[in-house]
Amino acid sequence: QLVVTQSPSASASLGASVTLTCTLSSGHSDYVIAWHHQQPEKGPRYLMKVYSNGSHRKGDGIPDRFSGSSSGAERYLIISSLQSEDEGDFYCQTWGTGIQVFGGGTTLTVL
Amino acid sequence: EVRLVESGGGLVKPGGSLRVSCEASGFTFSDFNMNWVRRAPGRGLEWVSSITSSGSDVFYADSVKGRFTISRDVAKNSLYLHMNSLRVEDTAVYYCAREGLSGYYPEFWGQGTLLSVSS
Repeated sequence: QLVVTQSPSASASLGASVTLTCTLSSGHSDYVIAWHHQQPEKGPRYLMKVYSNGSHRKGDGIPDRFSGSSSGAERYLIISSLQSEDEGDFYCQTWGTGIQVFGGGTTLTVL
Repeated sequence: EVRLVESGGGLVKPGGSLRVSCEASGFTFSDFNMNWVRRAPGRGLEWVSSITSSGSDVFYADSVKGRFTISRDVAKNSLYLHMNSLRVEDTAVYYCAREGLSGYYPEFWGQGTLLSVSS
């Protein structure tokens, strides 16, 4: 069964860096995933796709301080120079034949 | 600029029906697959349904299969979600999303419309 798993919460200080992790289920370690960010009371925003080879492709207007990487079944979202507007929920998402799957989300707190 | 504007949410009693709509602009609507994704209170995002660019193929999450119907009207640049036999657990903000060209992922999102199912 296709599943993506995320830690429920993360925190880091203003100006620091943070890495969020998304883990693909067994047998799906070569899947592409997408990262989305949802600020409180707003619609989500697509950030980037992360491929199994570690490359990533960002959406329109996503700042350079957002990047992605990969290792095995894990896909990472790295945010540097954290700003207050980075707070919110981050979701990884993948897809199979006729389905899309979202992780449970990671709530990021900027201290 | 891609713009997706949802409408039609409201308060419905369990067992009732509702149709939510999404008006799209800023891109060629007929070129892209479209999605509905929802977020229930206190929970994360949940994929609900997808429709291909031509409308020939539709897909549903198990939680809504047989109760919800996705459709699109190219002439009106609009996406719809017809919801029947509504349950309390269908209470959520419903987001319209346009997929990317390479892969089944939402690339652009709307702001959402709230459906509350309660007696």
